[in-house]
Amino acid sequence: GAGVSQSPRYKVAKRGQDVALRCDPISGHVSLFWYQQALGQGPEFLTYFQNEAQLDKSGLPSDRFFAERPEGSVSTLKIQRTQQEDSAVYLCASSSGQRSSGNTIYFGEGSWLTVV
Amino acid sequence: GESVGLHLPTLSVQEGDNSIINCAYSNSASDYFIWYKQESGKGPQFIIDIRSNMDKRQGQRVTVLLNKTVKHLSLQIAATQPGDSAVYFCAEINSGGSNYKLTFGKGTLLTVNP
Repeated sequence: GAGVSQSPRYKVAKRGQDVALRCDPISGHVSLFWYQQALGQGPEFLTYFQNEAQLDKSGLPSDRFFAERPEGSVSTLKIQRTQQEDSAVYLCASSSGQRSSGNTIYFGEGSWLTVV
Repeated sequence: GESVGLHLPTLSVQEGDNSIINCAYSNSASDYFIWYKQESGKGPQFIIDIRSNMDKRQGQRVTVLLNKTVKHLSLQIAATQPGDSAVYFCAEINSGGSNYKLTFGKGTLLTVNP
């Protein structure tokens, strides 16, 4: 596609429910990032993939958060046993180059998660 | 620790005026900087970027200035239009660092009055 695509755009989950958020990066992009954005704040880093390898997951807030990119293209962010503090926008971004190349990083429109 | 911050949380300008949004960063190892525009309900939209070997870069109606001596970035928008109203974020990255990630500031809300 022309840009980074995320689904679902909106998700309401009951506390304790598991959710899965999908990201389709720009075709051919090597690098993929997940960010979390709380209302009124800047995006906060969650994790980074280079192809299928998860090189950095230092931003994942707890072991309830898990991300994968098994074939080096589509990625899924899974949140288990959701809690109210997980309510946020989850942004996916991709870049054509590897980490040292400084290529432009493009974001999707985000998945808006509300936990009730 | 690493941080990127903005001097002005809000900026209100008249349509047609020039806007300047400022940003300070603290990681001297950062070598790539990006300005993003985020409208309500949307993801960050790339505006312009600059690498640390440059001090100025121009796009269409936008200019980014980088002052590495004082670790300062600015985004200049010429002839600001109502459609420019949004939150603007600067972000930094150390492309060769052990942690490859964009670090964002809190954002500046730009309001353009017709």
